[in-house]
Amino acid sequence: AAGVIQSPRHLIKEKRETATLKCYPIPRHDTVYWYQQGPGQDPQFLISFYEKMQSDKGSIPDRFSAQQFSDYHSELNMSSLELGDSALYFCASSQGLAGGVTNEQFFGPGTRLTVL
Amino acid sequence: AQKVTQAQTEISVVEKEDVTLDCVYETRDTTYYLFWYKQPPSGELVFLIRRNSFDEQNEISGRYSWNFQKSTSSFNFTITASQVVDSAVYFCALRGYGGATNKLIFGTGTLLAVQP
Repeated sequence: AAGVIQSPRHLIKEKRETATLKCYPIPRHDTVYWYQQGPGQDPQFLISFYEKMQSDKGSIPDRFSAQQFSDYHSELNMSSLELGDSALYFCASSQGLAGGVTNEQFFGPGTRLTVL
Repeated sequence: AQKVTQAQTEISVVEKEDVTLDCVYETRDTTYYLFWYKQPPSGELVFLIRRNSFDEQNEISGRYSWNFQKSTSSFNFTITASQVVDSAVYFCALRGYGGATNKLIFGTGTLLAVQP
């Protein structure tokens, strides 16, 4: 079965640079979630999109922006990178927004971002 | 507010020992979902189990079992006859039901080290 695809899997950037992370949800999934997991920490919710509209927002820095495109893939844009942005970034997708068994979130393998 | 507490930061056991990972949650929702995820050193989040708030039956899957008790707001996870391959960080997570509150709230995780 197709899974959530994230690219790139690894990314190394310098401070103050910009990074773009991409997420391709499971086919027919219309909701995308982004989570950030710092070293030794639990995943923290950043933002989610349903049908190309932002549906919820967590502790996402103003330097970050995200969007969902017409084909439902999503991109997380990160500018003015800081050392503290080094983390594992997970994307998850689900079918529909309302909570329920059929709206399970499936996680991608993550993108490991290292800021030097 | 929703919160998940995993008081055990690290647990070390010897292979074939049984081990229980504790999870306590807080929520004002009457309907919610609880999850356990495994994160091996490779970093991906592996889904283990989902339990909804109306189903307090304990569940067993092979060497894994889960004990859900609403009265104590706990959802504990037991591994029987642990194996070295069980070494990982285990996260307990909570999710609300409905609307835009589908984000997962993770606990801080428990690092399980199974020694041969």
